[in-house]
Amino acid sequence: DARVTQTPRHKVTEMGQEVTMRCQPILGHNTVFWYRQTMMQGLELLAYFRNRAPLDDSGMPKDRFSAEMPDATLATLKIQPSEPRDSAVYFCASGDRGYGYTFGSGTRLTVV
Amino acid sequence: AQTVTQSQPEMSVQEAETVTLSCTYDTSESNYYLFWYKQPPSRQMILVIRQEAYKQQNATENRFSVNFQKAAKSFSLKISDSQLGDTAMYFCAFMGAGGTSYGKLTFGQGTILTVHP
Repeated sequence: DARVTQTPRHKVTEMGQEVTMRCQPILGHNTVFWYRQTMMQGLELLAYFRNRAPLDDSGMPKDRFSAEMPDATLATLKIQPSEPRDSAVYFCASGDRGYGYTFGSGTRLTVV
Repeated sequence: AQTVTQSQPEMSVQEAETVTLSCTYDTSESNYYLFWYKQPPSRQMILVIRQEAYKQQNATENRFSVNFQKAAKSFSLKISDSQLGDTAMYFCAFMGAGGTSYGKLTFGQGTILTVHP
């Protein structure tokens, strides 16, 4: 089965450091999402792309978060500077509208 | 904006029994998709079943079926012959098929299902 690959799987970093999370979507999928999951907020949409163009990043704190898709095989989510409240599991998902989306295994981020 | 509500934070069921998880949603759109995702302790999000709003027939995938009531904006998941491997968090999700919510998944808060032997 095709899968969405996320790296790293776990990341522990100190407050103030830059964090970069990477996602390799499934080839041929034209829509890519970034979600954040926390116990308090559940699953929150941070950003999504269609055909590599950003469509909605209203859920993302713009002053510290940025999301890009430099090519069809790579999506990145960066946090600079990181803060303890950013500790969460970050998921990437890709798919085609209406058919459901395939999620990666997530990156568990801990900011100390 | 669309909202998805799962009113059951936790459910439990005995192995081999049937359980139903509830989901309601709010939207002004006439065409959309609904999904159930499963998240076991491994944290992997797995698509369980999907329903297209314009289809009257309820979707079925093996032991999983839905009861889609469009007028009531209700989308419940029935799991038959529950297995220990069904223990997971279950998320209901909405995706619009037009307008600003086109292609965007909105999730409910989740229901933790525990299957007991």
